[in-house]
Amino acid sequence: GENVEQHPSTLSVQEGDSAVIKCTYSDSASNYFPWYKQELGKGPQLIIDIRSNVGEKKDQRIAVTLNKTAKHFSLHITETQPEDSAVYFCAALRGNEKLTFGTGTRLTIIP
Amino acid sequence: EAGVVQSPRYKIIEKKQPVAFWCNPISGHNTLYWYRQNLGQGPELLIRYENEEAVDDSQLPKDRFSAERLKGVDSTLKIQPAELGDSAVYLCASSSSGNYNEQFFGPGTRLTVL
Repeated sequence: GENVEQHPSTLSVQEGDSAVIKCTYSDSASNYFPWYKQELGKGPQLIIDIRSNVGEKKDQRIAVTLNKTAKHFSLHITETQPEDSAVYFCAALRGNEKLTFGTGTRLTIIP
Repeated sequence: EAGVVQSPRYKIIEKKQPVAFWCNPISGHNTLYWYRQNLGQGPELLIRYENEEAVDDSQLPKDRFSAERLKGVDSTLKIQPAELGDSAVYLCASSSSGNYNEQFFGPGTRLTVL
């Protein structure tokens, strides 16, 4: 089955700086890659996703890049703000099979 | 639009006791998922429903876990008997499509088994 690795497990950045979280996947047939943000005591919230026919997608301060050849994708957050502090999960999906999540990155924005 | 509703939010039980979790998905969403999230880990799928039908329950420990989705709306996940290792957050999610895209999660039920 699919295996998703996520790095780093923790990340601290100064407010206003950029944050980058990286994930690799094992199944070359995976074709959908969402990113979720999970705040304390809440369920994961979809913040951005990308499909395998696209190399990059942006939504305001958030962007995701996908390298199908290397089988890795990354989340980029620019101009970080205190409210960006949370745990972020990447995930990968092949067709209609189950979503496989990474182990999460705890992002802390330092004011 | 109301999100996915789960109850209870927290549950503490002793091992060997039964426990049940309830989920009400977003109105109109015909696909419902139950996940288990262990501390420091990502969610892992337990079961997926398309309307009333469980179409993927390969990860559900069927010796002690059961689920139902009567009438294709609300769902209940049950554990009987609970074990210490069942302590986790149980998340419910729903989506409007027949695949796994764009899942919306509820706040989860935090289960502690003593």
